[in-house]
Amino acid sequence: SQQGEEDPQALSIQEGENATMNCSYKTSINNLQWYRQNSGRGLVHLILIRSNEREKHSGRLRVTLDTSKKSSSLLITASRAADTASYFCATEVGAQKLVFGQGTRLTINP
Amino acid sequence: DAGVTQSPTHLIKTRGQQVTLRCSPISGHKSVSWYQQVLGQGPQFIFQYYEKEERGRGNFPDRFSARQFPNYSSELNVNALLLGDSALYLCASSAVSYSNTEAFFGQGTRLTVV
Repeated sequence: SQQGEEDPQALSIQEGENATMNCSYKTSINNLQWYRQNSGRGLVHLILIRSNEREKHSGRLRVTLDTSKKSSSLLITASRAADTASYFCATEVGAQKLVFGQGTRLTINP
Repeated sequence: DAGVTQSPTHLIKTRGQQVTLRCSPISGHKSVSWYQQVLGQGPQFIFQYYEKEERGRGNFPDRFSARQFPNYSSELNVNALLLGDSALYLCASSAVSYSNTEAFFGQGTRLTVV
């Protein structure tokens, strides 16, 4: 079963705009990770945020984690056409077992 | 350095057949995990192996099995294939088996069962 649920399921924005995706989960976690997947290929790790962290940045990415609400958000600033992909949150439930949500399909329009 | 490599990239099998998928982890990585991703869904955990021992198993039938070799490469075997086994099978490797570590994924094997 899927633990994480991403919202929205699909998002279409103009190049240069910011994209925000949300993830909710159900159980206690060790960490939460965000991955990108291009056209049904392999997953690319974007960022990991530990359960005792509230916010983390990596380049144009900003991730927040609210363990009291069991939710996380991924913000991509100044979007580019190359950011078009599906984005998944994954919670680590037990060592190395990742539980993924259904993903957000992000489309960046030129 | 090479990333996680999976073979084959695509495969078509008939219902009832058996299939073996292969994964080579990043050099130095001892942990390999397998995931199944059905179209339109997120990946689902199948197995994790560390140091050749099974460390975790997801909610999959016994038709699914795996093993890890002394060089840390791994095989996923699926017997008696069903149409519903059609999916992208992803392999992930990491340096260690404990939490808070990054997993690196291969490009996957797309299995089609007809």
